[in-house]
Amino acid sequence: SAVISQKPSRDICQRGTSLTIQCQVDSQVTMMFWYRQQPGQSLTLIATANQGSEATYESGFVIDKFPISRPNLTFSTLTVSNMSPEDSSIYLCSVGEAGGYGYTFGSGTRLTVV
Amino acid sequence: QKEVEQDPGPLSVPEGAIVSLNCTYSNSAFQYFMWYRQYSRKGPELLMYTYSSGNKEDGRFTAQVDKSSKYISLFIRDSQPSDSATYLCAMTAGTGGFKTIFGAGTRLFVKA
Repeated sequence: SAVISQKPSRDICQRGTSLTIQCQVDSQVTMMFWYRQQPGQSLTLIATANQGSEATYESGFVIDKFPISRPNLTFSTLTVSNMSPEDSSIYLCSVGEAGGYGYTFGSGTRLTVV
Repeated sequence: QKEVEQDPGPLSVPEGAIVSLNCTYSNSAFQYFMWYRQYSRKGPELLMYTYSSGNKEDGRFTAQVDKSSKYISLFIRDSQPSDSATYLCAMTAGTGGFKTIFGAGTRLFVKA
């Protein structure tokens, strides 16, 4: 299965600033996903990033707040913009292929907004 | 009502015990069922997946699906301290565009 490197692993940020999270995969993949994991809550899909097209955002998430880039088949970034304490969470990059029944996740980025 | 319900625990058992982790769901369209294990400060890793109803065994782990009751289980035999982690169930109606819905996870502690 694919190996995912996600950076940074953690960060503490001031409110009003932005943080860009990077996700590097060791093989070419069609679909990359960005999830948010809040304490005691299930993984929530933020958006699906496909190379060569705009990301598809889930209900409750907008491009202005969570812009995503997907410049090639092995790399993606998620930016958390104009952060507030409510954005404190773990953000996870994931990859999976149509026809596969499970996903591979990065180690996550633990974000604290103060 | 959430689509997938999972008891958050924590569940604490002695080493060697049989562990039973469970999820219930409401969407009868779900066909593929997965269990992920997540260690502290790590991303989830796929442990097992099953299609439709029935059992699947892999070493000390057994996944069980009862679609008539909308209930899935993961059994861990001869539990080890290294099994201490959060276990998330997940399910989807199919591949190619269907969303995967995750449970909130159950924290498991196996005491030596």
